[in-house]
Amino acid sequence: QSALTQPASVSGSPGQSITISCTGTSSDIGTHDLVSWYQQHPGKAPKLIIYEGTKRPSGVSNRFSGSKSGNTASLTISGLQAEDEADYHCCSYAGDFDKFYVFGTGTKVTVL
Amino acid sequence: QLQLQESGPGLVRPSETLSLTCSVSGASISSTSYYWAWIRQPPGKGLEWVGSVFRNGATFYYPSLKGRVTISVDTSKNQFSLHLISVTAADTSVYYCARPRGSFGDYEYWGQGALVTVSS
Repeated sequence: QSALTQPASVSGSPGQSITISCTGTSSDIGTHDLVSWYQQHPGKAPKLIIYEGTKRPSGVSNRFSGSKSGNTASLTISGLQAEDEADYHCCSYAGDFDKFYVFGTGTKVTVL
Repeated sequence: QLQLQESGPGLVRPSETLSLTCSVSGASISSTSYYWAWIRQPPGKGLEWVGSVFRNGATFYYPSLKGRVTISVDTSKNQFSLHLISVTAADTSVYYCARPRGSFGDYEYWGQGALVTVSS
């Protein structure tokens, strides 16, 4: 099972919107609507910001939104803010007879 | 307030066994229906799902780690543990324990992480 593919880095200016892609296969993203996204600041544990592809946990800003098309999931951050500068990781359920998850390679978001 | 705390040796010799424990406070593992998980992150790299355990001891593991990894639960101590045998430098990572939002996946609660270095 290979890791999901994310761009190494994405950047944007404050107020802009950026989109991070997460490409998998028909065995994971393409089959299951169980993609989650995590935000991770340096030295901190990841924080869940999107689950089941499009849902936000309570307390997470509505500037974060998720979507999926085929084998690719995407995270969009609108109205980019300095505090959004962090690493972002996607994750997808990938099991069939077995149950397991596969994470993405991670994306560093820089706010210019 | 749910809290998870990893503990264990920070240095393990190559070919030996890595052992970590996650202590859970604020909730009882035995009275919940979650698959408690271990997730690791090599320095400077992405996250990797290691495996998870239910209160009755049922487990699931990442395919590439099967044969080397064992996750167990001790409900009397409200803890769950990770054992990884025959470690190499590639197993050097920050190891996180986590609890899902639902029963499996979508990890909403995380420990602070424990760095384990494999080196002689």
